[in-house]
Order: sequence, then C-alpha cells, then structure tokens
Amino acid sequence: RKEVEQDPGPFNVPEGATVAFNCTYSNSASQSFFWYRQDCRKEPKLLMSVYSSGNEDGRFTAQLNRASQYISLLIRDSKLSDSATYLCFANAGGTSYGKLTFGQGTILTVHP
Amino acid sequence: GAVVSQHPSWVICKSGTSVKIECRSLDFQATTMFWYRQFPKQSLMLMATSNEGSKATYEQGVEKDKFLINHASLTLSTLTVTSAHPEDSSFYICSARFGAGNSPLHFGNGTRLTVT
Repeated sequence: RKEVEQDPGPFNVPEGATVAFNCTYSNSASQSFFWYRQDCRKEPKLLMSVYSSGNEDGRFTAQLNRASQYISLLIRDSKLSDSATYLCFANAGGTSYGKLTFGQGTILTVHP
Repeated sequence: GAVVSQHPSWVICKSGTSVKIECRSLDFQATTMFWYRQFPKQSLMLMATSNEGSKATYEQGVEKDKFLINHASLTLSTLTVTSAHPEDSSFYICSARFGAGNSPLHFGNGTRLTVT
C-alpha cells in the first residue's frame, strides 16, 4: 500500500462549483501535512498547510482527520485558474522527511 | 520568502554524455535537499536525499553511480546524470526545507532533461 493515496480524478467541474479532494495516509506517525498545486510542466508550489483544527485561506479550506488518517481540500467558487494537479504531502518527520510521501496527485479541470 | 533555484531549466543532450543540475537555496541554509524525478503524467518520485557534508541517501532502485549527488555547501546540491540515455529523459526537481521542525518543502523550478 502506498504511504499516501489520492483519487487521481480527473475532476471536471464548471466555474463556480465546489469541489473536494481527499487524501489518505498510512503512517500514523505523520506529523505535518500540506497541499501543493502543480501546473503542467512546472514544479509543485505550496498551496497551504493543513492544521489539526482545520484552516481556511480564501476559497480554500483544508482539514485533517487523524482518527481516519486523511486530509481534505475544499475549493469553493472554482475558477478556471484553479485547473491544476493537486498533491497532498504527509511528513513523518525526522529522517523520513520528504521520503516518498507525496500522493500521486488529483487532476482538476475547471471549465466555463 | 524562501527560494530554491534550479539550473538549467531545460537541457538537451546526446546519449552517453553527462549532465549536471544545480540546486541552490538562495536565502537560507539547507542541510538537506531532496531530488525528485517525474515522468509525464506520473507522480513525483523521490530519488535521493542530499546531505551537506556527507553521502547522499538513495532510494531503492536508484543507481548511485549513475546519479551522482554532491552537497558541498549549505546552499548548493548538484545532481549529475552520468552517461545519460533516452530513458533518463524526465523532469528533475530539487527541494529543500526552509526552517526547522515540520516546515514544508520548497521546490526548485525543475530541469527538463531530454536525451537524444
């Protein structure tokens, strides 16, 4: 089983829609979680951190469920510019940081 | 904010040649950097962890003699693809962590390698 799993999609939604992605992680020692966005042929860029209490940044809301070991990303009022691949990242900390802990990415396409 | 710079952005080389990719942390010191590879429509795959002043740690299946990593200073790590072949054509991305604890990774802009 992969350490971090995501539904690869693709998700095709109209502008203005609300869309949610989930990401499950298998390592219960994971301590920190992040969502990244990757545009075609570009490097991943940090979208937001995910905190235990949940956090919001504009149209984006991230949540963590430690009991069920998943994190989620909710995008409200989708824009065309939100079209990208969204990667979740779970860090087990210490020397394992960065080690094979990216999800495979969820492709989002927002259409007019 | 923290910036990770990677050079070159793209390179085309002939089969059998070696290619060096540089990864720099511009405004912070990075004792650890990570090298990833990404094939089209696939996820990021960690190749190795680069440690300043010591040998890199390679992931299973990654040939350390083919992908040479040098982390000679706190702001520079290099990845050399030796004797490149067409199957090495890929998107290579480095990353580093700015800050301690569980801070996020920041990525370089990536290097698109095409071996002909």
